[in-house]
Amino acid sequence: GESVGLHLPTLSVQEGDNSIINCAYSNSASDYFIWYKQESGKGPQFIIDIRSNMDKRQGQRVTVLLNKTVKHLSLQIAATQPGDSAVYFCAETGTASKLTFGTGTRLQVTL
Amino acid sequence: NAGVTQTPKFQVLKTGQSMTLQCAQDMNHEYMSWYRQDPGMGLRLIHYSVGAGITDQGEVPNGYNVSRSTTEDFPLRLLSAAPSQTSVYFCASRRTVAYEQYFGPGTRLTVT
Repeated sequence: GESVGLHLPTLSVQEGDNSIINCAYSNSASDYFIWYKQESGKGPQFIIDIRSNMDKRQGQRVTVLLNKTVKHLSLQIAATQPGDSAVYFCAETGTASKLTFGTGTRLQVTL
Repeated sequence: NAGVTQTPKFQVLKTGQSMTLQCAQDMNHEYMSWYRQDPGMGLRLIHYSVGAGITDQGEVPNGYNVSRSTTEDFPLRLLSAAPSQTSVYFCASRRTVAYEQYFGPGTRLTVT
């Protein structure tokens, strides 16, 4: 596999800083949201999810925030590490069958 | 567990050729799906299956066929390859009662 191509929005952060990656979704009926991480040459990997009846969920070093009013999702990564460098996708679904993916944001961690 | 496996990793086809991309999972997941990933367009769903013997179309099904004769395998067939099918293809699986999908490593396909 390969990572997404050349024209992704890119976020550059210094090692140790916090990262915030944003995603706007379009379907107001979506009730479940997921963040995926895709490293170069690999398939997407699940990071964290959130249901529409929540506005915040925390994992290990990651937090997802959901604002249904403006249809906005964000992923916060605390104390960003070089291993966090990847492309990050949000995905939404309103049914059990189909996920709709965003185009992705490339996170570059500088030393 | 090997998780989701895909073969081949790379493939070059000439326009008009046909081929099958293989996908297998050993997690006994009911739901399997195929996506293509193109620059600037994210992942788009081609076909999916909710169980053996059941398949359905996704967002971009034209030019592709699938079948699901077993729980483990979900091959994707390109009937007559076109340059527009140059892409990276990912297979994924999950349990029906969960949304978390597990992705394979992908197949990079180039059609000349």
